[in-house]
Amino acid sequence: GAVVSQHPSRVICKSGTSVKIECRSLDFQATTMFWYRQFPKKSLMLMATSNEGSKATYEQGVEKDKFLINHASLTLSTLTVTSAHPEDSSFYICSARDYRDFSETQYFGPGTRLLVL
Amino acid sequence: AQKITQTQPGMFVQEKEAVTLDCTYDTSDPSYGLFWYKQPSSGEMIFLIYQGSYDQQNATEGRYSLNFQKARKSANLVISASQLGDSAMYFCAMRESQTGANNLFFGTGTRLTVIP
Repeated sequence: GAVVSQHPSRVICKSGTSVKIECRSLDFQATTMFWYRQFPKKSLMLMATSNEGSKATYEQGVEKDKFLINHASLTLSTLTVTSAHPEDSSFYICSARDYRDFSETQYFGPGTRLLVL
Repeated sequence: AQKITQTQPGMFVQEKEAVTLDCTYDTSDPSYGLFWYKQPSSGEMIFLIYQGSYDQQNATEGRYSLNFQKARKSANLVISASQLGDSAMYFCAMRESQTGANNLFFGTGTRLTVIP
């Protein structure tokens, strides 16, 4: 099956610093990747859609200058949380879609738990 | 209106028994896809099963089957012969073709607990 990795799995940082999270599709090429945020005991909230070689599309209410997304290759997308604050603490999870898959199934990474002190 | 509705916040099932997790959806798009994901306590989202709106047969993947009732707009997940490792959150999701971006709309999830 399609495998998506995410790094780091867990990060603790000080308020005001920036944190970069990587999402990689390991055995397929992903023209589109998605970034989600999940609060405890809640469902996934789509933050942005990342397309290889072009600017990400952000959902309403998501600050693009706060959450920088780069999709530089067909297997890698990065999310940078800039000037992190405690309210940014959350579980961030990415997904990738194999462009050859007619069902357009999204395969998810294992997620990153961010804690901002 | 909610695009995906999961009305069961929590479900219990005896080990080795079958369980049905409910999911209803709302869309005017004639072409859509329905997905079920499992999220154990570790947090990863594991893809379980897919049903296309034009598929004539109900999808099956091992112990998982999807009871697709198009007229009722329901896509219930049936897990047969439950195992302790099935205890997790289960999310139903839908992709609409007309949105273009093909992002998923998720339900609020159902927490399944398998009792030994």
